[in-house]
Amino acid sequence: EAGVAQSPRYKIIEKRQSVAFWCNPISGHATLYWYQQILGQGPKLLIQFQNNGVVDDSQLPKDRFSAERLKGVDSTLKIQPAKLEDSAVYLCASSFWGSYEQYFGPGTRLTVT
Amino acid sequence: AQTVTQSQPEMSVQEAETVTLSCTYDTSESNYYLFWYKQPPSRQMILVIRQEAYKQQNATENRFSVNFQKAAKSFSLKISDSQLGDTAMYFCAFMKHGNPGNTGKLIFGQGTTLQVKP
Repeated sequence: EAGVAQSPRYKIIEKRQSVAFWCNPISGHATLYWYQQILGQGPKLLIQFQNNGVVDDSQLPKDRFSAERLKGVDSTLKIQPAKLEDSAVYLCASSFWGSYEQYFGPGTRLTVT
Repeated sequence: AQTVTQSQPEMSVQEAETVTLSCTYDTSESNYYLFWYKQPPSRQMILVIRQEAYKQQNATENRFSVNFQKAAKSFSLKISDSQLGDTAMYFCAFMKHGNPGNTGKLIFGQGTTLQVKP
């Protein structure tokens, strides 16, 4: 069974530039999560999708971050414009609807200079 | 709001020995899950073990076991017979149990880096 796929694995950009991350969840997983993991900290949920609807985006900085999951499968997370403090690993996870178990992708390491 | 605290930033253990990682949490919820996740260097996070709050019996998965003290809001992980492959960052996490669709938010602690030495 294929796991959660994410791309790119690494990205370096300058502040004020824009960047996009892509995630393809495990087949059949209706729920998709984006987490931000700053170095030395635990992951923090940015947004949770149920199919193509948003369940929780309370911690998403909406002035610069956006995310979509148009067809209820893969998802894109965008940052525009990026700030230095956005340097982090962005983790995507997915789960069956109502399941406690989340499966994580390898993450995208973003460095903003 | 729920919080999870791991007070040990780094730990080390000799191969084949036993180590215990600590975690405390704060919540007003009565029904929830607790988890330990493992994040090896440059590899993806995987679930090690989970505990349902309503269960009194401590969860066990092979060499991994937990000590769940609900009244004290404590949830420690014991790794027996440590192996080099156990070297990783370990995260304690909380999830509220409720209606499907809004239970998925994991709240993580800061993590403990475990080094297993040969």
